[in-house]
Amino acid sequence: DVKVTQSSRYLVKRTGEKVFLECVQDMDHENMFWYRQDPGLGLRLIYFSYDVKMKEKGDIPEGYSVSREKKERFSLILESASTNQTSMYLCASSLTSGPEGGELFFGEGSRLTVL
Amino acid sequence: QKEVEQDPGPLSVPEGAIVSLNCTYSNSAFQYFMWYRQYSRKGPELLMYTYSSGNKEDGRFTAQVDKSSKYISLFIRDSQPSDSATYLCAMSDSGGYNKLIFGAGTRLAVHP
Repeated sequence: DVKVTQSSRYLVKRTGEKVFLECVQDMDHENMFWYRQDPGLGLRLIYFSYDVKMKEKGDIPEGYSVSREKKERFSLILESASTNQTSMYLCASSLTSGPEGGELFFGEGSRLTVL
Repeated sequence: QKEVEQDPGPLSVPEGAIVSLNCTYSNSAFQYFMWYRQYSRKGPELLMYTYSSGNKEDGRFTAQVDKSSKYISLFIRDSQPSDSATYLCAMSDSGGYNKLIFGAGTRLAVHP
């Protein structure tokens, strides 16, 4: 089974702190994604990566950055956390970018609260 | 207006009922349509995938796509308490299969 592991399930941070959310997948998938999930808004794509050291902005990249130094690891960084970044963050991976093998496998999520 | 609209519910039904979950969308370029199921405190998992218009059946689940009406549905027959979850529709165009646009999700509760 594909496993996508998000290291922190629950975090509480203060405004202005730098926050790292880590995600590791164990199936040699090419693509990795970071989404945030908010009530009434569904999942929104923050950043994604098709290869090591490669990143592309999603729909809501403002206030976030990412790092992919190794194929299996994709990190989401909040340089200076703000209260409007309180949310559930979901990491996902997929084998390919097409319909065959393009299924997203999600981690269990990291719930971030910024005070 | 959101690209994908989905009634958030909650929807509460008795065990054994037929459940209908729906999404509407505005982008006529969408060709790939998916339903993800998300249990409480878990990440979403793919339930059904459909390309273009038509029906697809998998056990108790049937996915329908009507591109002329920009409307997709998921039917659950003989619903079970284990079907209680949030159901998210998702879709993309041919240029960005992995750049899915998700609906807000419908919370379903099936009570014994």
